[in-house]
Amino acid sequence: EVQLVESGGGLVQPGGSLRLSCAASGFTFSDHYMDWVRQAPGKGLEWVARSRDKAHRYTTEYATSVKGRFTISRDDSENSLYLQMNNLETEDTAVYYCARGGWRSGSRYYIDYWGQGTLVTVSS
Amino acid sequence: DIQLTQSPSFLSASVGDRVTITCRASQGISSYLAWYQQKPGKAPKFLIYAASTLQSGVPSRFSGSGSGTEFTLTISSLQPEDFATYYCQHLNSYPLTFGGGTKVEIK
Repeated sequence: EVQLVESGGGLVQPGGSLRLSCAASGFTFSDHYMDWVRQAPGKGLEWVARSRDKAHRYTTEYATSVKGRFTISRDDSENSLYLQMNNLETEDTAVYYCARGGWRSGSRYYIDYWGQGTLVTVSS
Repeated sequence: DIQLTQSPSFLSASVGDRVTITCRASQGISSYLAWYQQKPGKAPKFLIYAASTLQSGVPSRFSGSGSGTEFTLTISSLQPEDFATYYCQHLNSYPLTFGGGTKVEIK
């Protein structure tokens, strides 16, 4: 059974930093693209970042709103995904979901499993 | 960035109704579109990929169609467990984006 468990959320002041973690189990982590998706309170989903798999050299992609401030990384030996968030803004307040971009259709990798999320609150 | 506009943003329907949700892209995205269902306090669930292919285990009352810039999600006969918020997402190019969501509520 695929499981994704996020941790590391909490309260941080504007301009501060936070590192989120996602522990994955139930599948071969190194074979899969992995994503972070967030959802502000009462709002819709916003894709944040993607890490491609080992076969694609772990290259990364980012949403325009976080590029240059957030860094996605992974440790395949630990089956873990990370999101380093720097220079946080109040607009970054959201539940952050770890997700597996595991469903390949042609050349595209669709998100097929999600964790339960971790809440990040940016406030003074 | 490619913008996805869902309509309506909210709809009220009864059990047994046929429901259609539209997702329009700001530029052509071929068929690189997914649909997700989210219930309150829960993570989203993967329903449809490549615009029209049902993910394994998803009831056949759900269907998707479209290509280019206009897409639809249809529920042929709404069931009590279908009351939720639905999101489209494109995978045409980076950055990936989601539509704003359509909340389906009980009339």
